[in-house]
Amino acid sequence: ILNVEQSPQSLHVQEGDSTNFTCSFPSSNFYALHWYRWETAKSPEALFVMTLNGDEKKKGRISATLNTKEGYSYLYIKGSQPEDSATYLCAFKTSYDKVIFGPGTSLSVIP
Amino acid sequence: DADVTQTPRNRITKTGKRIMLECSQTKGHDRMYWYRQDPGLGLRLIYYSFDVKDINKGEISDGYSVSRQAQAKFSLSLESAIPNQTALYFCATSDWAGTEGTDTQYFGPGTRLTVL
Repeated sequence: ILNVEQSPQSLHVQEGDSTNFTCSFPSSNFYALHWYRWETAKSPEALFVMTLNGDEKKKGRISATLNTKEGYSYLYIKGSQPEDSATYLCAFKTSYDKVIFGPGTSLSVIP
Repeated sequence: DADVTQTPRNRITKTGKRIMLECSQTKGHDRMYWYRQDPGLGLRLIYYSFDVKDINKGEISDGYSVSRQAQAKFSLSLESAIPNQTALYFCATSDWAGTEGTDTQYFGPGTRLTVL
């Protein structure tokens, strides 16, 4: 059974703090790693997709890195703002066309 | 207008009733998915369809069935609803060809189902 894990489960930070969280996935049969942002009462929305070991993606204050050899990806948020409060999901796509979501990290940014 | 729509948005029903949740998309994607979300468990795949003639079970398909009526429509049925099917249900689409096989998912707004 393939397992995708995310840590921490939840996080509370002060406005202006930088933060990061982790997605762990199997290092074999890798095809792609997705990050999604899921705001309360909305649907998950795609942030990044990464396919190559060493990939880094950036969108404003949010960035992500990928290590396929050891099976992890980091999501970084620089200078957190209240509007960054959301659940961040990662999803691992295998080379045999399965997509598995992690349980998410819930971020609360306190003004 | 939203690209992926779900009806109904909320539904309360009783144990044993048959329920259908509907999903429509205007994105022109071939691939469609049904997920359920339970607190602390993330998104779990119920069924998926890679084209109109293709239906596949996900990790938690027991108690559910689906119908892919057209490229744009994918329905999820609970033949005899039970309380542990109370959850938030999401439909999603993905564009395999357009995203070089990475299958970025585009989600509908969700259906909150309560089975009493």
